[in-house]
Amino acid sequence: TQLLEQSPQFLSIQEGENLTVYCNSSSVFSSLQWYRQEPGEGPVLLVTVVTGGEVKKLKRLTFQFGDARKDSSLHITAAQPGDTGLYLCAGFTGANSKLTFGKGITLSVRP
Amino acid sequence: NAGVTQTPKFQVLKTGQSMTLQCAQDMNHNSMYWYRQDPGMGLRLIYYSASEGTTDKGEVPNGYNVSRLNKREFSLRLESAAPSQTSVYFCASSEALRGFGGQGWNGELFFGEGSRLTVL
Repeated sequence: TQLLEQSPQFLSIQEGENLTVYCNSSSVFSSLQWYRQEPGEGPVLLVTVVTGGEVKKLKRLTFQFGDARKDSSLHITAAQPGDTGLYLCAGFTGANSKLTFGKGITLSVRP
Repeated sequence: NAGVTQTPKFQVLKTGQSMTLQCAQDMNHNSMYWYRQDPGMGLRLIYYSASEGTTDKGEVPNGYNVSRLNKREFSLRLESAAPSQTSVYFCASSEALRGFGGQGWNGELFFGEGSRLTVL
């Protein structure tokens, strides 16, 4: 069973702070995705990283895929209340075409 | 821009009752999925359909059945609901889930808004 561990599970910060959250596994993934889910809605894709060591930036969000393709991080600069939500990582395994989700990180950004 | 549409959005059942959750997508996607989401458990795959005419079990298929009615529609049926099936259910669709040239999947799962089911 391929597990994706996300940490921390919960995070509450003040508007303007920076934060980094993590998605770790003992398994190697061919690619990794981050989704954000707002209350009462379905998850929405933020980014896909496919190459070990890859860094992608989406405005104030920076995503990194570990060199060994076993982990990923999401860094948010100057967090805003609109960043509040559940952040899910999902790893894809090419061998069996399987997409595995982590349990998610609940982020609350206080005004 | 309908995307993925699920019905109903809310449902309360008594133990032992049956019901069907409906899902339709208008993006001409080959693959469709049913997930359940529970606090602290993340998204767990119940069943999926890689293409029209095929269905396969996911992580937690017990107590559920599915039907891929056509390319657009994928329904989830609870034959005899149990309190353990109280959850939020999400339908999703995507292009085929496979990597190309040794790389990972670069597609996207499109989710519906969810169906909140309570079994008393």
